Amino acid sequence: DIQLTQSPSFLSASVGDRVTITCRASQGISSYLAWYQQKPGKAPKLLIYAASTLQSGVPSRFSGSGSGTEFTLTISSLQPEDFATYYCQQLNSYLITFGQGTRLEIK
Amino acid sequence: EVQLVQSGAEVKKPGESLKISCKGSGYSFTSYWIGWVRQMPGKGLEWMGIIYPGDSDTRYSPSFQGQVTISADKSISTAYLQWSSLKASDTAMYYCARRGVVPANGGVYYYYYMDVWGKGTTVTVSS
Repeated sequence: DIQLTQSPSFLSASVGDRVTITCRASQGISSYLAWYQQKPGKAPKLLIYAASTLQSGVPSRFSGSGSGTEFTLTISSLQPEDFATYYCQQLNSYLITFGQGTRLEIK
Repeated sequence: EVQLVQSGAEVKKPGESLKISCKGSGYSFTSYWIGWVRQMPGKGLEWMGIIYPGDSDTRYSPSFQGQVTISADKSISTAYLQWSSLKASDTAMYYCARRGVVPANGGVYYYYYMDVWGKGTTVTVSS
């Protein structure tokens, strides 16, 4: 299986901050990576696919980059509704895996 | 509206069987793969497997192979996740999600993502 390691696992930040979450794959996955946001008690929500393509309806303060084994999700200016847990997911094959998650909390 | 509607919460005893469902609407159900994801209490997302309702081609995560069965009935646009003998460790929220696809490089290859999610089914297994 391809392992995904997110860092940090926990992040404390303030409204207006710029934050970056990293996802590293145990082997190259080209750009077959997606990012999701999950709020407590809710289903995950797709933010970005193909490493850098913003899903329709997702605010432009979210962006993704990377290819191969290292990827980043950046939120340019945190809003109150962005405090949530974020997951990366690789879809390089049918053996799909998720990262362990990054919990983003208000400082 | 494209949506996946999951069946309601279940409370079961260890050893019992269970089948939960995920009904798609607003799109061609047979044209998109449906995946299942487990989330144990307070934990992260775990990929279980995926099925193509058009022909029931199914792929399991090694961690779940033999532990659950994924199936689909295309006549009623519904995918299923079932257990033959539940354990306490099966207590979790289970989500179904549609695998979207977009062509790249003129269709030479494709990118995938889980774009539509059900609200989840809570399964509690306790004696």
